[in-house]
Order: sequence, then C-alpha cells, then structure tokens
Amino acid sequence: GAVVSQHPSRVICKSGTSVKIECRSLDFQATTMFWYRQFPKQSLMLMATSNEGSKATYEQGVEKDKFLINHASLTLSTLTVTSAHPEDSSFYICSARDQGTGGAGTEAFFGQGTRLTVV
Amino acid sequence: AQSVAQPEDQVNVAEGNPLTVKCTYSVSGNPYLFWYVQYPNRGLQFLLKYITGDNLVKGSYGFEAEFNKSQTSFHLKKPSALVSDSALYFCAVRDGGRGNTPLVFGKGTRLSVIA
Repeated sequence: GAVVSQHPSRVICKSGTSVKIECRSLDFQATTMFWYRQFPKQSLMLMATSNEGSKATYEQGVEKDKFLINHASLTLSTLTVTSAHPEDSSFYICSARDQGTGGAGTEAFFGQGTRLTVV
Repeated sequence: AQSVAQPEDQVNVAEGNPLTVKCTYSVSGNPYLFWYVQYPNRGLQFLLKYITGDNLVKGSYGFEAEFNKSQTSFHLKKPSALVSDSALYFCAVRDGGRGNTPLVFGKGTRLSVIA
C-alpha cells in the first residue's frame, strides 16, 4: 500500500531555534497533505492542510507564522516550527491520501510521527 | 460539522476473549468511516474502512467493524484478542460528499489485552 515517510522521528532542540519536519509520499503523488499535532493521551488535532503549489490552510488557533508549511512538490511537504518554545513540544504527524486510486473513499496514510522536545 | 465519539477511554480484555471498541459518528452527508491503530511513538496504521456496500467490513489483523446507519455506529470488533493488539485505537469519519477533506478523529480508546 501507499507509504508516507516522515523525518526526523525524534528531535531535541534549544528554545528559540527552528526545526524542520519533512513528510514524503513515497509511491504516490499527493496534492494535499495534512499536519496533525498530538498531545499525550489525546487525539490528533488538525493543524493545517498543506496544498501543493499554494498556501496552506490553517485551523483556527494555529499560528501560521510559527508553523510554516511548504508544499513545494507533489511528494513533499515540510513543517517548520519557528522560534520553538517548550510548549511546542509535542508529537507531530503528517498524512496524505493517494487520490488517484480511489477518490474520496481512499484511506489516509500517516507518517511515523516526529517527537519534538524543546529544551 | 462532522464528529466522532469514542465513549471509552480504556478497554480491558483477557487474551482469547472477543473485544469491542465503540464508535459513533455524526456527519451531514454520506459517512466514510475508518479505524486506525497507533503504537507508542508511532504514526497511525490503517485497519479498515466503510465506504459503501456490505455493513460488515473486514480489515487487517483479524479486525472487523459493523456499520449501523440507524445507530450511527461503527464499532470495531475482533473475535479473539491477542496481547499484541494492545494499542491506541482511533475511529475517524469523513463526509463522502466533500472531496479531499481531512479526517475527523475520535479521542481514541486504549485497548489493553491481558494474558
């Protein structure tokens, strides 16, 4: 089945620095990818919808200047956490669907997730 | 608006016994329903989905789910639980008439299978 690869799986950074997380669709093209954030023992919270070749759509309450999303190609979306602070520490997950094979009923595939720790 | 409810935070079951993880949904259009499993510090793995057709759908690792339109439910089941089934399970829904929209997830149910 379709595979989504996310990198890195784990990152520790100092407060005030920026961290980039990559999400790749390995065997299909994804015009749209989704970025989620998951807090401990909680569900996934949709942060933004990443659109290839255009601006991302952010959910209410998500700071677009803090969480920069770039979807420069049909197989790669990146999430950059800028000027990270300890409260940004979380588990970030991306997902994408292979729309070419099944339309709206196609399941989403998820990256392995990135555990970000800001110290 | 779409929503998913998973009424149980935790489900405990003995190995070999049948398991059920409950899910109810709300969507204005046709419901496209999904179950995913998450192991610690990992992304979500797809288990099964209901789009149309037979109400009983079978998925990976022996799991199945039954779509019940009148009760707006999509409970996940397995006839005989394994210790390795212990994980976090998420039910999700998408409105089938709304194109490439993101999934809406329930809060998750932690399944613990005891040997």
